[in-house]
Amino acid sequence: GENVEQHPSTLSVQEGDSAVIKCTYSDSASNYFPWYKQELGKRPQLIIDIRSNVGEKKDQRIAVTLNKTAKHFSLHITETQPEDSAVYFCAADRGSTLGRLYFGRGTQLTVWP
Amino acid sequence: DAGVTQSPTHLIKTRGQQVTLRCSPKSGHDTVSWYQQALGQGPQFIFQYYEEEERQRGNFPDRFSGHQFPNYSSELNVNALLLGDSALYLCASAAGPSSYEQYFGPGTRLTVT
Repeated sequence: GENVEQHPSTLSVQEGDSAVIKCTYSDSASNYFPWYKQELGKRPQLIIDIRSNVGEKKDQRIAVTLNKTAKHFSLHITETQPEDSAVYFCAADRGSTLGRLYFGRGTQLTVWP
Repeated sequence: DAGVTQSPTHLIKTRGQQVTLRCSPKSGHDTVSWYQQALGQGPQFIFQYYEEEERQRGNFPDRFSGHQFPNYSSELNVNALLLGDSALYLCASAAGPSSYEQYFGPGTRLTVT
């Protein structure tokens, strides 16, 4: 089945700096790549997603890039704020079985004021 | 517009017992997926329900079973509980089995002693 690797497992940045989280996937049939933010004790929240027919997508301070050839995608957060501190999960969905997400192990992002 | 809701919030059970968790999907959604999130890990897909049938299943034993009702709500049942079943159980709903976006509930924290 699909295997999603996520790095780094922890990331600390100063407020205002940028943060980058990277994921790789194994199944070339995957065509949907969402990112979820999970604050302590709360539900995972979809913050941005990208489909395989697009190379980059941006939403204010958050952007995601996808390289289908290399089978990797990345989350970029610019001008980080303390409220960005959370665990971020990447996921991949194989096109033939939509609705079944394969998650990475998560990245604990800490933004220091 | 109510989001995905789950009950109970927390649950403590003893090894060998059985447990039932409940989920109500977001308004307008008819597809429910269940995920298990162990501490420090990403969510793992258990199964998906649509039109009151199990549509696809992850690598979980038959001790894990489910049901979907005509109003699209769903139950997750786990029999013969093991210590390793302790986890956060997340329900996610979508507008159809082929819908890309999944919205998660707050989860049920199950502790098996």
